[in-house]
Amino acid sequence: GQNIDQPTEMTATEGAIVQINCTYQTSGFNGLFWYQQHAGEAPTFLSYNVLDGLEEKGRFSSFLSRSKGYSYLLLKELQMKDSASYLCAVLDSNYQLIWGAGTKLIIKP
Amino acid sequence: EADIYQTPRYLVIGTGKKITLECSQTMGHDKMYWYQQDPGMELHLIHYSYGVNSTEKGDLSSESTVSRIRTEHFPLTLESARPSHTSQYLCASSEGGESTEAFFGQGTRLTVV
Repeated sequence: GQNIDQPTEMTATEGAIVQINCTYQTSGFNGLFWYQQHAGEAPTFLSYNVLDGLEEKGRFSSFLSRSKGYSYLLLKELQMKDSASYLCAVLDSNYQLIWGAGTKLIIKP
Repeated sequence: EADIYQTPRYLVIGTGKKITLECSQTMGHDKMYWYQQDPGMELHLIHYSYGVNSTEKGDLSSESTVSRIRTEHFPLTLESARPSHTSQYLCASSEGGESTEAFFGQGTRLTVV
């Protein structure tokens, strides 16, 4: 079966750095997405990785290792507004998005 | 700015009622999707469409139907609502290329009593 694993919940301090991991086992791989979802709202796109390595976009970076079936989202200079769920999703061989359950990130002052 | 709209935002209905959740997008996207999401859980694909007159079933499709008569419109119908249908329903669309992101509507929170 297809499976995406993320930690259920993480806590970090305002101004700090946090890394959210995602491991996946899917039938084929055509890219990995990270989305941010605030409580009660729709997910919004953060990043897309299809090749190994690090993609940096402002305070957020995303890393991919296809051989390890592993990705992480790195958030720097955390702000209170970063409190949200972060969803990892993989595009499988049929170009269907397989979603993780999300990691709830709690930012403390 | 994404232009994808869902109505209603909130709905409370009785068991056995037939309901249609509306989703429209003004971006001309070919691909559209319906997801169901319970609090703190992953998104489950209900139905998807790759264009007009194209509809496919996802993981949780057995109790609902969709239609795609126009590119911009992708309604979801529950023929007979049950309490187990209580959830958040999210509609999304994308351009269709492999790397293109999905844009989500604000969701419909459905409660069946």
